[in-house]
Amino acid sequence: AQSVTQPDIHITVSEGASLELRCNYSYGATPYLFWYVQSPGQGLQLLLKYFSGDTLVQGIKGFEAEFKRSQSSFNLRKPSVHWSDAAEYFCAVGAPNRDDKIIFGKGTRLHILP
Amino acid sequence: DGGITQSPKYLFRKEGQNVTLSCEQNLNHDAMYWYRQDPGQGLRLIYYSQIVNDFQKGDIAEGYSVSREKKESFPLTVTSAQKNPTAFYLCASRTTGTETQYFGPGTRLLVL
Repeated sequence: AQSVTQPDIHITVSEGASLELRCNYSYGATPYLFWYVQSPGQGLQLLLKYFSGDTLVQGIKGFEAEFKRSQSSFNLRKPSVHWSDAAEYFCAVGAPNRDDKIIFGKGTRLHILP
Repeated sequence: DGGITQSPKYLFRKEGQNVTLSCEQNLNHDAMYWYRQDPGQGLRLIYYSQIVNDFQKGDIAEGYSVSREKKESFPLTVTSAQKNPTAFYLCASRTTGTETQYFGPGTRLLVL
């Protein structure tokens, strides 16, 4: 069965600084990979997804993620964060052709210093 | 506007009471999902439905029930058997052929 780990519960960065949120997955083949963002009291919004092809994926709001098979990772990056990026970020993994469930990590809460 | 709506935004339950959370989508999506979110726990799957009149238990189905009588609607009932119902409940949907789930705004359930 697939699983996903987000090692950092909280991350604090200064506005304008670069950001990298870590995500590691466990799955025997190439999984489907997702990053979602959640503002307090809101639903989840899809930032980007990886199914196949180019391992560097561009998403909305200036985010990108890179799939690294050798490291079983799908880290989320942004070159310069804005105060509005403060939120909780969830990595998720799905199993192609197995079932239509996806497994979510426990999330990383991003804090932005002015 | 196409999307997923959940109502109410806040719901209060008295002890021993069943309550029903609404989830409606006008995206013509085939599959629908219910998740429970607790602080620090991420999202846990309660029930999901891939087609009308069919649904499957997720990881934490005990104390919950669902129905899928229409493609657009997937209501969740939190029964009195659910002893710790206080949480944020999220509904999602997905169309066949894509693995991407789209989420509603959530319902926060509180116990009086």
